[in-house]
Amino acid sequence: DAGVTQSPTHLIKTRGQQVTLRCSPKSGHDTVSWYQQALGQGPQFIFQYYEEEERQRGNFPDRFSGHQFPNYSSELNVNALLLGDSALYLCASSLTARGPGANVLTFGAGSRLTVL
Amino acid sequence: GESVGLHLPTLSVQEGDNSIINCAYSNSASDYFIWYKQESGKGPQFIIDIRSNMDKRQGQRVTVLLNKTVKHLSLQIAATQPGDSAVYFCAETYTGNQFYFGTGTSLTVIP
Repeated sequence: DAGVTQSPTHLIKTRGQQVTLRCSPKSGHDTVSWYQQALGQGPQFIFQYYEEEERQRGNFPDRFSGHQFPNYSSELNVNALLLGDSALYLCASSLTARGPGANVLTFGAGSRLTVL
Repeated sequence: GESVGLHLPTLSVQEGDNSIINCAYSNSASDYFIWYKQESGKGPQFIIDIRSNMDKRQGQRVTVLLNKTVKHLSLQIAATQPGDSAVYFCAETYTGNQFYFGTGTSLTVIP
């Protein structure tokens, strides 16, 4: 059973460019969340997608946008890249349902973005 | 914003000893907490969770304690092994959708 898969694993961009990161959730999961993890810090919530809509958003500018597809996979787009956007971007999937453990996030290995 | 912090950024323990990692949270409305383990080059891995209607929960070699009075969470690892070396994060939520993570504690197990 494949877990959460993310691509690409590493990428380098220059300031002002745009980037798209991709995520396939764990089998059986219907909800995808994106987190940004700066070096030495804990993950910071960007947004969550469910039923192809953004359900909740963290404190990130509109340069960060996303999408969820009918097969539950998701993309994270970042426009007008800044040096401070350099980080590990983590995708996490979960199941929106009642019951214990429903909210548990299963994380992918992340996409390491470096902005020069 | 939310404040989920850890008391100690680093922790070193001898193999076989017990480890205790602490976490303070600031939002009394948080009702669900998770401990994650993150090894170098990997994403966070679920360890154990606890809901606010519980004070203690045990897993395999791990125990989570929740003290809502002082808004404190701890993770106890019994008989710590070299494979337990990693960064440990506590995460809280009151919406069920957005989790707030602490800065993390780096655990090093000395053989």
